[in-house]
Amino acid sequence: EPEVTQTPSHQVTQMGQEVILRCVPISNHLYFYWYRQILGQKVEFLVSFYNNEISEKSEIFDDQFSVERPDGSNFTLKIRSTKLEDSAMYFCASRLGRRTEAYEQYFGPGTRLTVT
Amino acid sequence: GQQVMQIPQYQHVQEGEDFTTYCNSSTTLSNIQWYKQRPGGHPVFLIQLVKSGEVKKQKRLTFQFGEAKKNSSLHITATQTTDVGTYFCAGPMQNSNYQLIWGAGTKLIIKP
Repeated sequence: EPEVTQTPSHQVTQMGQEVILRCVPISNHLYFYWYRQILGQKVEFLVSFYNNEISEKSEIFDDQFSVERPDGSNFTLKIRSTKLEDSAMYFCASRLGRRTEAYEQYFGPGTRLTVT
Repeated sequence: GQQVMQIPQYQHVQEGEDFTTYCNSSTTLSNIQWYKQRPGGHPVFLIQLVKSGEVKKQKRLTFQFGEAKKNSSLHITATQTTDVGTYFCAGPMQNSNYQLIWGAGTKLIIKP
């Protein structure tokens, strides 16, 4: 069964450093997302991406965040200057399409980001 | 702003007892989705409800969408250890095609 993959599974970085989190969505999916989940809390939407551009972003997704789909398979989230409060699990998700029956989102296993 | 509230935050049950989680939206939703997250895992899609008053069943799980499309529930009959995890509801943000607003989740804990 096709699945979303994410690398690395765990990233430790120092405050102020740049990190890039990588995702490979399911190949025929058209919509891609990044979410954040601080330990034990709710899932928070960061950004959605369609047709090679950001379609929506939340208040959390400020200027230190960026996303890219550099080729036909990878989808990346970059955090330019990490802060302690960026420590969280970051999930990538993809969705087939916009039709009602295609709203289901498939999540990757997540990258645990620890900022020290 | 738009909110999705989910209660309870935790539910401790004996194995074999039933479990219910409730989701309430501050606005009418076009659809509602339910996800399960096992401890240490990622959210996994369970179901989507679209129609007012809709009821869907998946084995021991029963999902309901309210008539006003502002509330939903998930009921698990005769819980098993494999049911352990956090159950989240999520609905589309108003005026958005892409963004989901998530409830805080209900953690199902099986008492030893």
